[in-house]
Amino acid sequence: NAGVTQTPKFQVLKTGQSMTLQCAQDMNHNSMYWYRQDPGMGLRLIYYSASEGTTDKGEVPNGYNVSRLNKREFSLRLESAAPSQTSVYFCASSGWPDRGTEAFFGQGTRLTVV
Amino acid sequence: RKEVEQDPGPFNVPEGATVAFNCTYSNSASQSFFWYRQDCRKEPKLLMSVYSSGNEDGRFTAQLNRASQYISLLIRDSKLSDSATYLCVVNPGYRGSTLGRLYFGRGTQLTVWP
Repeated sequence: NAGVTQTPKFQVLKTGQSMTLQCAQDMNHNSMYWYRQDPGMGLRLIYYSASEGTTDKGEVPNGYNVSRLNKREFSLRLESAAPSQTSVYFCASSGWPDRGTEAFFGQGTRLTVV
Repeated sequence: RKEVEQDPGPFNVPEGATVAFNCTYSNSASQSFFWYRQDCRKEPKLLMSVYSSGNEDGRFTAQLNRASQYISLLIRDSKLSDSATYLCVVNPGYRGSTLGRLYFGRGTQLTVWP
């Protein structure tokens, strides 16, 4: 019962470096999400994908790109990391629209940009 | 105005106490409502969905008031293990690109002491 799997769990980047956060779910969900969580700010939606091949911007998309590679996988890319992108990143999936809208989360990626 | 507003707390209560959290949402057409629990440095986990008729799961009771656009969570007989941050979550259910999204409140921190 893996659910939602994120890699890596921890990462330190230098300013200007790039990296891709990977996310995969095995629940046959249509919808997948990327959130960031900062102290005092709560969870903020970066990008959202309602189905394979579709993506939409969330509240804070600047500095990020995403790819919905197939139904299982949804990756988040930082092209040129900045210290403001230091955060905890969570990937999530939900059964919407076929099933309920409740989301299930991966364990998170703690990213530090120095 | 944010989609979801929560009192951040913190709430500090003794074991055995009853504690209630409230949350308001801005869009009257919102479709789905949830309470999530997040332990320190962990991912959010679904605690319970919130239905119009109200629902109960053991010591936890969730209520939805559509007329006033608020959601509540009541915890009876608090346990030390209830210490966590509780997140109010709303699916606005708009048509178009926001359909299927989930919006999170900033969370209410609860500490239960012996």
